[in-house]
Amino acid sequence: QSALTQPASVSGSPGQSITISCTGSSSDIGYYNYVSWYQHRPGKAPKLMIYDVSNRPSGVSNRFSGSKSGNTASLTISGLQAEDEADYYCSSSTRSDTEVFGGGTKLTVL
Amino acid sequence: EVQLVESGGGLVKPGGSLRLSCAASGLAFSDYGMNWVRQAPGKGLEWVSSISSDSKYIPYVDSVKGRFTISRDNARNSLYLQMNGLRAEDSAVYYCARDGRRGPGRRFDYWGQGTLVTVSS
Repeated sequence: QSALTQPASVSGSPGQSITISCTGSSSDIGYYNYVSWYQHRPGKAPKLMIYDVSNRPSGVSNRFSGSKSGNTASLTISGLQAEDEADYYCSSSTRSDTEVFGGGTKLTVL
Repeated sequence: EVQLVESGGGLVKPGGSLRLSCAASGLAFSDYGMNWVRQAPGKGLEWVSSISSDSKYIPYVDSVKGRFTISRDNARNSLYLQMNGLRAEDSAVYYCARDGRRGPGRRFDYWGQGTLVTVSS
C-alpha cells in the first residue's frame, strides 16, 4: 500500500495550462481505470474533480481533464485561474480492493 | 443539501481510544459505501477504511488493522470509527466520505469537514 507518486509542487501563470502526474504500479493505476483527482483547499473538504481517469462530475469546469497511460495518470488544468490554487491529490483503487492516494501536489498560480 | 458532519475528535494519550461519528443527511445513506480518510499535519490524504452499504465488506489500510473498527447504522444515517491502541502517528484530521460508486472501485463524491484527533501524552 505505497502512496502514489506526485510532484510536490507545480506552478503556472493565469491562462496557462499545467499537468500534474501521478505514478503508481501495475497493482493500482495500471490495474484499474478507477483513478480520481481531488482538489483540497486549506480548511475545506476535498472536492472530487475527476473520476474513472477522465470523467468530470457535474459542476466541475471543463478546464479540468484527466488521462492515463500505463501506470501513470495525469491531471491537466487549462486556462489557469487564481481560484485553481490548491492542493491536488490523485487516488486509485487497488487490486486488493483498498484505496491509495498520492502524496499531493501544491498548485501555485503566479 | 448533502451534509456529512464528523464529531468525536479530541486529545487522547497514546494507547487510548476514541470513537468518531459521522452524521449524514440529504443523501441516500443506506445505498452507498462510506469511508474514512485522514490527513496528518503537513501530510497528504490517506484512506483508512471502507464499509459497504450492507456492512458486509470492510477493508482497512494495513497500519490500522486490528486497532480500528469501522461500522455504520443505516437507520440512524451514521458512520462510526472506533479507534483503539492509538499512536502518535494516528494524529490527523479524519474525514468521512461517501463512495459515489455502487460496484468495484471508489470515488469520494461527498466529504465532511473533518474532525481532529491528536494523540499525545
